Amino acid sequence: KAGVTQTPRYLIKTRGQQVTLSCSPISGHRSVSWYQQTPGQGLQFLFEYFSETQRNKGNFPGRFSGRQFSNSRSEMNVSTLELGDSALYLCASSYRQGGNYGYTFGSGTRLTVV
Amino acid sequence: ILNVEQSPQSLHVQEGDSTNFTCSFPSSNFYALHWYRWETAKSPEALFVMTLNGDEKKKGRISATLNTKEGYSYLYIKGSQPEDSATYLCAFPGNNNDMRFGAGTRLTVKP
Repeated sequence: KAGVTQTPRYLIKTRGQQVTLSCSPISGHRSVSWYQQTPGQGLQFLFEYFSETQRNKGNFPGRFSGRQFSNSRSEMNVSTLELGDSALYLCASSYRQGGNYGYTFGSGTRLTVV
Repeated sequence: ILNVEQSPQSLHVQEGDSTNFTCSFPSSNFYALHWYRWETAKSPEALFVMTLNGDEKKKGRISATLNTKEGYSYLYIKGSQPEDSATYLCAFPGNNNDMRFGAGTRLTVKP
């Protein structure tokens, strides 16, 4: 059974650019959640998608957005990148909405903004 | 603001030592408490999902207990091995249906 796949693994972007990250969940999982981790911080919740709809959103500016496709694959977009957006972005899939049943995580995309 | 607290932040032990660390969380509206293990350069891996007060779960040399009334969970590792070196995260579902993670305890086991 394939795990959660995130692409790309590493990314370097310039301030002001935009970036799109991709996440393919485990087959059969309909929920995809996105988290940001910066040094010294715990995983910060960005948003969750379930059945192509954003169900929950964390406390991040509108520059962070996402979507989910009919095959449950999800993309996360960050526009007008800032240096502080440099972080590890993890996606996690779950069979049901919300994290109550636990997550399976991808390996993450490490974004560096210069 | 994180309202899941983990301590200590980091821990260095010798191979063979037993160790434990703590996760504190709000005790009201408790639903579940999750433990994850995160090795460097890998994905966080689910260890336990704990739901009942007094629950105790075990996986090999790793075990966890839960006290929902006072809002804490302990994770124990018996006879630590170098391969146990990882960051151990606890998390619980927030009001927003998100999972709220602690900052983790980074364990290093020296051979």
